[in-house]
Amino acid sequence: ELKVEQNPLFLSMQEGKNYTIYCNYSTTSDRLYWYRQDPGKSLESLFVLLSNGAVKQEGRLMASLDTKARLSTLHITAAVHDLSATYFCAGNYGGSQGNLIFGKGTKLSVKP
Amino acid sequence: NAGVTQTPKFQVLKTGQSMTLQCAQDMNHEYMSWYRQDPGMGLRLIHYSVGAGITDQGEVPNGYNVSRSTTEDFPLRLLSAAPSQTSVYFCASSETFMAGTGTGELFFGEGSRLTVL
Repeated sequence: ELKVEQNPLFLSMQEGKNYTIYCNYSTTSDRLYWYRQDPGKSLESLFVLLSNGAVKQEGRLMASLDTKARLSTLHITAAVHDLSATYFCAGNYGGSQGNLIFGKGTKLSVKP
Repeated sequence: NAGVTQTPKFQVLKTGQSMTLQCAQDMNHEYMSWYRQDPGMGLRLIHYSVGAGITDQGEVPNGYNVSRSTTEDFPLRLLSAAPSQTSVYFCASSETFMAGTGTGELFFGEGSRLTVL
């Protein structure tokens, strides 16, 4: 059974600082997904990582996947207030069936 | 572009009442699923479907029923509501991997906030 663990669960950052959110998963998952959720809103897809060594970047966010270590990271560069949100990672469980198992989320607060 | 549409957005029920949360997608996705989101728990899979006429249980299926008569629609039924079912419910869809296309990326509806008194 796939389990997905994120840390930290809460993160308070100052604007301009860098930080990394970690996502560990327990069994083989060849795909890893990152989502963003603003308070009271739905989940928005950020990154889809499809293979070992995959790296994707969008603005101040960069995600990577190491399937051998069963680890994905979401790196935040020079944080700004607009990045304040909850970030979820999810692994694929059930092969081709498409079931995603989510971590508990990391609530990020960026303060001036 | 409508994407995934959920109704209602808000609902209050009394214990023991039944209701149906509606979900429709217009992307011709074969895979659809229902999640519930509770504080500190992330999202937990309730039921899913890989195509019309095919449904299966997820992690937390008890107290819920689903059907998939068309590709577009995937309603979630609460048979006899309990306070423990107070939650935010998200419907999501994606292309499956089986066709050799698609990334499995889930597209979510806006959510349905349910309170059971």
